[in-house]
Amino acid sequence: KAGVTQTPRYLIKTRGQQVTLSCSPISGHRSVSWYQQTPGQGLQFLFEYFSETQRNKGNFPGRFSGRQFSNSRSEMNVSTLELGDSALYLCASSLEGGSPLHFGNGTRLTVT
Amino acid sequence: SQELEQSPQSLIVQEGKNLTINCTSSKTLYGLYWYKQKYGEGLIFLMMLQKGGEEKSHEKITAKLDEKKQQSSLHITASQPSHAGIYLCGALRGGSQGNLIFGKGTKLSVKP
Repeated sequence: KAGVTQTPRYLIKTRGQQVTLSCSPISGHRSVSWYQQTPGQGLQFLFEYFSETQRNKGNFPGRFSGRQFSNSRSEMNVSTLELGDSALYLCASSLEGGSPLHFGNGTRLTVT
Repeated sequence: SQELEQSPQSLIVQEGKNLTINCTSSKTLYGLYWYKQKYGEGLIFLMMLQKGGEEKSHEKITAKLDEKKQQSSLHITASQPSHAGIYLCGALRGGSQGNLIFGKGTKLSVKP
């Protein structure tokens, strides 16, 4: 079974631009979560989607948004990029019923 | 808000030695996950502990959950260079299973 796939692997953007990251979950997984990882703050929860609905949201500004499609694939968007948005963005998928999260290899975003 | 504190922050051991990593929660633990991360990559799921006193093993890694102490420990027996990486504990924050809070991680280096 293929794991969680995130694209692209690396991105370099300029302040003020916007970016879209993509995540394909493990087949059969309907829950997709997004995390931001930085050296200073560690791993922080962004949001979770299930059946195309946002189920939970972390404490991030409205510039961070996401969506989930009917095939469970998910995208997250960051608008008006700031230098502090430079991070590793991780996507995770899971089955329902308390099963663990399975993470992708992440997208490394650098904002210059 | 709940916090997870991991100790030690970093660890250097000689190959073949045993080691223990601890994860202490500021609140009651309802479930505890252990992950391993290679630098710049995604998280690899190791184990999930759900009940007080539960202990699980996978190859040379054993994890225990002490509900009373609100603490979990990860023990590696006869460490190998392949065990090197960052170990992260995560706990359900509540609301939904995709919303985990993570510790800052323990960086393990194994000297051959």
